[in-house]
Amino acid sequence: KNEVEQSPQNLTAQEGEFITINCSYSVGISALHWLQQHPGGGIVSLFMLSSGKKKHGRLIATINIQEKHSSLHITASHPRDSAVYICAVYPTTGNQFYFGTGTSLTVIP
Amino acid sequence: NAGVTQTPKFQVLKTGQSMTLQCAQDMNHEYMSWYRQDPGMGLRLIHYSVGAGITDQGEVPNGYNVSRSTTEDFPLRLLSAAPSQTSVYFCASSYAGPDIYEQYFGPGTRLTVT
Repeated sequence: KNEVEQSPQNLTAQEGEFITINCSYSVGISALHWLQQHPGGGIVSLFMLSSGKKKHGRLIATINIQEKHSSLHITASHPRDSAVYICAVYPTTGNQFYFGTGTSLTVIP
Repeated sequence: NAGVTQTPKFQVLKTGQSMTLQCAQDMNHEYMSWYRQDPGMGLRLIHYSVGAGITDQGEVPNGYNVSRSTTEDFPLRLLSAAPSQTSVYFCASSYAGPDIYEQYFGPGTRLTVT
C-alpha cells in the first residue's frame, strides 16, 4: 500500500522555469512535510503544513485538505534546485510519517 | 551545534554479522527515529523514541534493536545482518512530535550486506 503518491517522478526544467511538484494522499492527516534530498544524500526539511500556504524565498507550498493534495512550487528555478523532493504525511490516526518516493528534479542552465 | 551525526558513513557486512549504527544529536531533542531508504520506495520508519528510556517500533522493525539510555544517543543494532538489510539508513530528531516540529536528519549510513 502507498498512502502517498508524488508526480511527476522525474522532472527536467530549464533555468528560470516555474516548477510544480504534486503530492496526493489517501488518509486524513494532521500534517504534511516537504523535504529536499541533495545529490549527496543529505535530507533537509523545507515546509511543514497543516492548512493553506507557506512561502520561503522562491519556494511555495500549498495544501488542500479536502482534496487530499499538496503542491510544491519553485519560481525562477536554478541549477542549485536540482534535488529529490519528498512529500511526507502524518495520519491523524497514526504515529509515524508515510513518505512518497520522491520527485527527482534537474534544472539545466 | 553539530546537529545530527551518524557513524559510520559506509559499512560492508557479511551475512550473519552484527553491528551498531550510531546516531547522536546535540539539540536536546526528545524525539529520535531511524529510517531506511531503498530504491523506488519512500523512507520507512524502523524504530523511534519519544524520550530517554522509551522506544517503539515503526513500520519495518524486524531484525533491528534500539535503546535510548540518554537524550543524545539513539543507536540502531543489526542483530544478524541479512542481504535484505542492504540500504541507506537515516537517523532523525525533532524537539517533540515530528508532525508539528521540524525533523533534522543525519547524513546517512550506506550499508551493504553480502
